[in-house]
Formats: sequence, C-alpha cells, structure tokens
Amino acid sequence: NAGVTQTPKFQVLKTGQSMTLQCAQDMNHEYMSWYRQDPGMGLRLIHYSVGAGITDQGEVPNGYNVSRSTTEDFPLRLLSAAPSQTSVYFCASRRFAGLANNEQFFGPGTRLTVL
Amino acid sequence: AQRVTQPEKLLSVFKGAPVELKCNYSYSGSPELFWYVQYSRQRLQLLLRHISRESIKGFTADLNKGETSFHLKKPFAQEEDSAMYYCALNSGGSNYKLTFGKGTLLTVNP
Repeated sequence: NAGVTQTPKFQVLKTGQSMTLQCAQDMNHEYMSWYRQDPGMGLRLIHYSVGAGITDQGEVPNGYNVSRSTTEDFPLRLLSAAPSQTSVYFCASRRFAGLANNEQFFGPGTRLTVL
Repeated sequence: AQRVTQPEKLLSVFKGAPVELKCNYSYSGSPELFWYVQYSRQRLQLLLRHISRESIKGFTADLNKGETSFHLKKPFAQEEDSAMYYCALNSGGSNYKLTFGKGTLLTVNP
C-alpha cells in the first residue's frame, strides 16, 4: 500500500491563480480530511469527508473547495489564491469515520507559496 | 468551544532526563485525545491515543478529566525523541474532527 499520497510536493502560485492539490489513499478509508499547518498555529482542519459524495467544512474552509467523487481521492481546490494561503497542506485518512480507536494516517504534505 | 492548549512552544532537555509535554483541553463532551509526533522532514504520525492506554517508545499519557489534561511523559529522554509534538482532541464526535494544539518542539541535547 502506498498509504496517503499528495501531489505536488511544492507549488508556487501568484495571487489570484487557482489550483488543485491532489490527495489519494489506497486503504479503502471512509474518512478523509485536509489540514493546513502554519508556524505557531498547529494544524487546522479545512474540510473533511466521511464518504464518497459527502463533504463538510472544518475550522478554516474559506477560499477552499473540495469534492469526493470516489473513495480514493479527495482533491482540495484553491479558487483564487491569496498570500494568506501560503502554508503546508496535509491530507489525512481514517478507516472508519465514526468509530473510535482507528488511526488517522497523514500524507507527506504539500508546501504552497502564494506570491 | 473545543480548545487544545500546549503552553510550551519549545522544550529543551538533556539526554536521560525526564520529559513532560503539557496538554490541556476544553471540551463539553467525552474527550477523545491523541498525541501526534512529527520528526524532521517526516509526515505527522500518531504516537498515543488515550483510549488505548498504551506506552509507545517509552512515552505514556494519562487522561485527567478533573484537570482536563493529557500530558505526555517519558522518564528518560533520548536524542531521537527530538521532534514536534502535537496534542489533538476529537471535537466532532462521530464526525471525527481533530482540533490540534499549536505544538511543542522538543529538543533532547546530548
């Protein structure tokens, strides 16, 4: 199993550009989520999904869209990039959404810079 | 509202010394708490969860509901323990939404 994979590893955007961060998992996990990691802020939940076709907002959803058309993929779209979205983005997945005691696995991260 | 507080941004100890990373939480429901670790240039990984009551790499953490704390402890720190540590709370119940603390960077000096 490759686990949770993310592409690209690094990206530089100009203000106003749009792009999609890719996330995939091959573990047949129900739950997938996106976090952003900023210095001194820890990780903050952007969006999450408890299954194909079901998504919901996390703590900091503004400026981001998600969709979950398949169990495996959970892309994160930046509609119009802003410098405040400069961050490291982590995707994570978990086997069961609502069951305790099953581990959440994180991807390697995407480092995004918006100029 | 749910909140996780890690009061120390940085913690530096010498090899062989005990280490305690503090975590306090605020949550109205029954908490589900975790410690995650991120070693340099590696992805975030689960270290401990309170529900398992386990010891991993010599680390333990006990949930104290009275003090709303979930401190991470190790009696004898090793250099390879140097990393960023995050305390996290499942604040979404069955929807499982993790709220993270801001993290503590632990440095173990030789």
